[in-house]
Amino acid sequence: EVQLVESGGGLVKPGGSLRLSCAASDFTFSTYTMSWVRQTPGKGLEWVSSISSSRTYMYYADSVKGRFTISRDNAKNSLYLQMNSLRAEDTAVYYCARDADDVGIPRFDYWGQGALVTVSS
Amino acid sequence: IQMTQSPSSLSASVGDRVTITCRTSQSISSYLNWYQHKPGKAPKLLIYGASSLQSGVPSRFSGSGSGTDFTLTISSLQPEDFATYYCQQSHSTPLTFGGGTKVEIK
Repeated sequence: EVQLVESGGGLVKPGGSLRLSCAASDFTFSTYTMSWVRQTPGKGLEWVSSISSSRTYMYYADSVKGRFTISRDNAKNSLYLQMNSLRAEDTAVYYCARDADDVGIPRFDYWGQGALVTVSS
Repeated sequence: IQMTQSPSSLSASVGDRVTITCRTSQSISSYLNWYQHKPGKAPKLLIYGASSLQSGVPSRFSGSGSGTDFTLTISSLQPEDFATYYCQQSHSTPLTFGGGTKVEIK
């Protein structure tokens, strides 16, 4: 069974930094695009960033561009999100998600349980 | 691409037929996915490509539409279906989600 387990969430002050990790197992991690999606309190889902399987392409939402950096280590089956210059509006549960695209329709077919990031003084 | 999902919430009874709609601000062909999300749980993919049922998802869930107008239908609502449902377009970045539809027990 595909597993995605996020870690690294916590409480951080505005302007601070945090690094989220996502450990993947039971699938060939190096062949999948991976993404981060967040859910802010009382609101819906928001796509944050995606990285292609070989790290050739990285995409970001405008709301995090220039502050967040997505990366991956295929040897360690791990996905990361470095978050800098954090703001109160970045407070959210951050989900790691696998991108499936085997029939030409990209979709998030597996998700982790999420990591809570709280930005507050 | 803007996603407009309606209704934002609904109350229904077990056994009811439920329909949720999603409209996009521009044509996305069939690049439309539906997810179910319960509090404290990982979101779950239900439908991809507007109408393809994800493996393991009960057949009471179905999707239809193309272009800018899409529908998720639950043919006979079950107790485990009370959750929030989101549509999502995968036509182009930035990937965007609808605002969600919370399905509650009447």
